[in-house]
Amino acid sequence: EPEVTQTPSHQVTQMGQEVILRCVPISNHLYFYWYRQILGQKVEFLVSFYNNEISEKSEIFDDQFSVERPDGSNFTLKIRSTKLEDSAMYFCASSVGSNQPQHFGDGTRLSIL
Amino acid sequence: EDQVTQSPEALRLQEGESSSLNCSYTVSGLRGLFWYRQDPGKGPEFLFTLYSAGEEKEKERLKATLTKKESFLHITAPKPEDSATYLCAVASSGGYQKVTFGIGTKLQVIP
Repeated sequence: EPEVTQTPSHQVTQMGQEVILRCVPISNHLYFYWYRQILGQKVEFLVSFYNNEISEKSEIFDDQFSVERPDGSNFTLKIRSTKLEDSAMYFCASSVGSNQPQHFGDGTRLSIL
Repeated sequence: EDQVTQSPEALRLQEGESSSLNCSYTVSGLRGLFWYRQDPGKGPEFLFTLYSAGEEKEKERLKATLTKKESFLHITAPKPEDSATYLCAVASSGGYQKVTFGIGTKLQVIP
């Protein structure tokens, strides 16, 4: 069964450094998403991406965050200058349509030191 | 603002002991309600989508139902491998593709 894959599984970064999280969505899906889950808290929406542009973003997704689909298969989340509070699990998801189920990867655990 | 409340936060069942998990929601027009299963250290795994009140979906020992204010996930004769956190999420007409999650119910099934 096709799945969303994310790399790396764990990323450790010094505060203030830039980090790029990578995702390969399911191949025939058109909508792409990033969520985060701080330990013990809810899964929180960050951003959705369709037709090569951001279609919706939350208040968490400020100027320090950006997303890109650099080629036909990858979808990335960049955090320009990481803060301690960015430590979380980051999940990528994709869906075939805008109101269709979103399928999630297993996440990247980001630890900021 | 969309809100999703799940109860109980944790549930411990004996193998074979059926029960139900609750998801109450407040949205500005429901476009869809989703149930996911999350194992430790993994991403949410899609289980069901419900779109309108009265709708029901079934998969093995799980059955999801939907009313205008809440959804239930019924677990019949659970097995230890059903142990996981079950997440409820909603998509509303107030958000384009955003899905709002509840905190989840952590289910433990004891042999």
